[in-house]
Amino acid sequence: AQKITQTQPGMFVQEKEAVTLDCTYDTSDQSYGLFWYKQPSSGEMIFLIYQGSYDEQNATEGRYSLNFQKARKSANLVISASQLGDSAMYFCAMNLGAGSYQLTFGKGTKLSVIP
Amino acid sequence: DVKVTQSSRYLVKRTGEKVFLECVQDMDHENMFWYRQDPGLGLRLIYFSYDVKMKEKGDIPEGYSVSREKKERFSLILESASTNQTSMYLCASSSGLIIYERALTDTQYFGPGTRLTVL
Repeated sequence: AQKITQTQPGMFVQEKEAVTLDCTYDTSDQSYGLFWYKQPSSGEMIFLIYQGSYDEQNATEGRYSLNFQKARKSANLVISASQLGDSAMYFCAMNLGAGSYQLTFGKGTKLSVIP
Repeated sequence: DVKVTQSSRYLVKRTGEKVFLECVQDMDHENMFWYRQDPGLGLRLIYFSYDVKMKEKGDIPEGYSVSREKKERFSLILESASTNQTSMYLCASSSGLIIYERALTDTQYFGPGTRLTVL
């Protein structure tokens, strides 16, 4: 069964610094997708970035990039030049088996950006 | 941009009441999902629907039912609310497009959430 592990319950980062949020996953499928979401205190889950298992390049979206290491089964989110508005919960997720519409989520990491 | 809306941001109900949570998406998506989110437990799938009038149980369907009469609207129903259903409820939708060979997987887009308190 697919499983997502986020080992950092909470992280602090200085404003304008870069931060890496860890995500490891477990799957026996060759074809899968990995997602990162941001959840501010308001509650809405905001989609940030996607990485497919066959993608040769690491995904990037603005200040967000994904450090995808397939052999190690890790998909870490890198946020460059942190801003105060980046303070939020961050969730890693993957689809529940090849071709599945469903996602399984990690427990999340709470990021706090310090001025 | 995808827009998913939920009928209420905050809701307070009494034990035993029938509760309706409404979700509407405007992107002609095939799939819609209902999750609940609790501290320490993360997001758990209650039900999802991949077509009008079609539904499938998720991980925790007990105590809930759903209705999808129109493609854009997906309702979560608590037949008789209980205090252990106090939670944050999140609705999501996705296009339903998967290109298996390229592992292009459906992205789910979420609504703002409903914080339900059952007294």
